[in-house]
Amino acid sequence: GAVVSQHPSWVICKSGTSVKIECRSLDFQATTMFWYRQFPKQSLMLMATSNEGSKATYEQGVEKDKFLINHASLTLSTLTVTSAHPEDSSFYICSARRRGGVRETQYFGPGTRLLVL
Amino acid sequence: GEDVEQSLFLSVREGDSSVINCTYTDSSSTYLYWYKQEPGAGLQLLTYIFSNMDMKQDQRLTVLLNKKDKHLSLRIADTQTGDSAIYFCAGPTGNQGGKLIFGQGTELSVKP
Repeated sequence: GAVVSQHPSWVICKSGTSVKIECRSLDFQATTMFWYRQFPKQSLMLMATSNEGSKATYEQGVEKDKFLINHASLTLSTLTVTSAHPEDSSFYICSARRRGGVRETQYFGPGTRLLVL
Repeated sequence: GEDVEQSLFLSVREGDSSVINCTYTDSSSTYLYWYKQEPGAGLQLLTYIFSNMDMKQDQRLTVLLNKKDKHLSLRIADTQTGDSAIYFCAGPTGNQGGKLIFGQGTELSVKP
């Protein structure tokens, strides 16, 4: 149990376009979902925390108008990178906390690699 | 603020034991976690330990927690080439909305 999927796994887009990434908890309800960004050979950088039915909480330095997060249901959160630029190219990973699960335990999706040309 | 530190690299021979170390600063941590990341993939939850425990064993994995020294370790017995990956330890950030803070990750290289 505790499977999280992400779609797409790979996306290449032109500069200026918007890209939507989906994160789904497949076999459990997620009270909270998190969005991370990871640069090569580095740790995860938390971008935002998303609770179902409420606005996302962004970490300091993360532009909320640039990275739009929607958490429409207990199994789905989306991250939209608006007007993407080459510096937005990165590996984006989501995670989910399970309702009734062990405290802060997060289950991660497989990640989405974004390349902006 | 809270911090989690790990050594960056570890190289072992197949069949040997691997020990990956982690130190943390937040004394209120309730659970501490170990995640594994293979190249190009997300993070896989390996195990976690509750702060009132000293040790937890799960098949080839042994987690040791020294709460006094705020030191956490992950021992992998009979390390295999398939264990080559980056291992992250993580702890809660003072219970702020369930967020986790991650170490830099330890790259484990297993040589045949």
